[in-house]
Amino acid sequence: DGGITQSPKYLFRKEGQNVTLSCEQNLNHDAMYWYRQDPGQGLRLIYYSQIVNDFQKGDIAEGYSVSREKKESFPLTVTSAQKNPTAFYLCASSMQGQDGEQFFGPGTRLTVL
Amino acid sequence: DQQVKQNSPSLSVQEGRISILNCDYTNSMFDYFLWYKKYPAEGPTFLISISSIKDKNEDGRFTVFLNKSAKHLSLHIVPSQPGDSAVYFCAASGVSGAGSYQLTFGKGTKLSVIP
Repeated sequence: DGGITQSPKYLFRKEGQNVTLSCEQNLNHDAMYWYRQDPGQGLRLIYYSQIVNDFQKGDIAEGYSVSREKKESFPLTVTSAQKNPTAFYLCASSMQGQDGEQFFGPGTRLTVL
Repeated sequence: DQQVKQNSPSLSVQEGRISILNCDYTNSMFDYFLWYKKYPAEGPTFLISISSIKDKNEDGRFTVFLNKSAKHLSLHIVPSQPGDSAVYFCAASGVSGAGSYQLTFGKGTKLSVIP
């Protein structure tokens, strides 16, 4: 089945450590996105990538980094510089040039201890 | 400043009745609008969308209405079912300066359908 997978579902990290969240899609989508959701908040865009080897900062990129070495993969690293990293992280993808519709993965819940 | 606003954090409706979820936007450059449904600890799933050239789009029990002059859209669910209980996000799309479509989300409305 085509879709987006994120792993792990739950992730715990000690304060001061970097952690990488995985996102893989087999939908042959060009564009991929990372969002963060906090309680009572909408989805806020962290980074997005329209094509392999290219990515752009979203609204809240500070403390995060990404790479896009393959079309299928868009990993997100939460660095120790991110001041409030505990959140629910969502990855999404879409066809380039399509009217906005994005398909989401199941999410990763990151908790910093 | 919020460009997409969902002013009702929650809504309770009796099973079988109509649910109306509202959304307002401020950016006149938005040209495509979407509704997503989200269960706890899961990713959002696409529900229905509408282009700015239309004022209504219907899909089964779900209808989205767009009033461009008021910069307002609404999602109607008729009849409401207990399985509709979820958080509903309104999202708006427009081409960014980089040429990509980006979505701007509202904060969501939690719908509870009471049996």
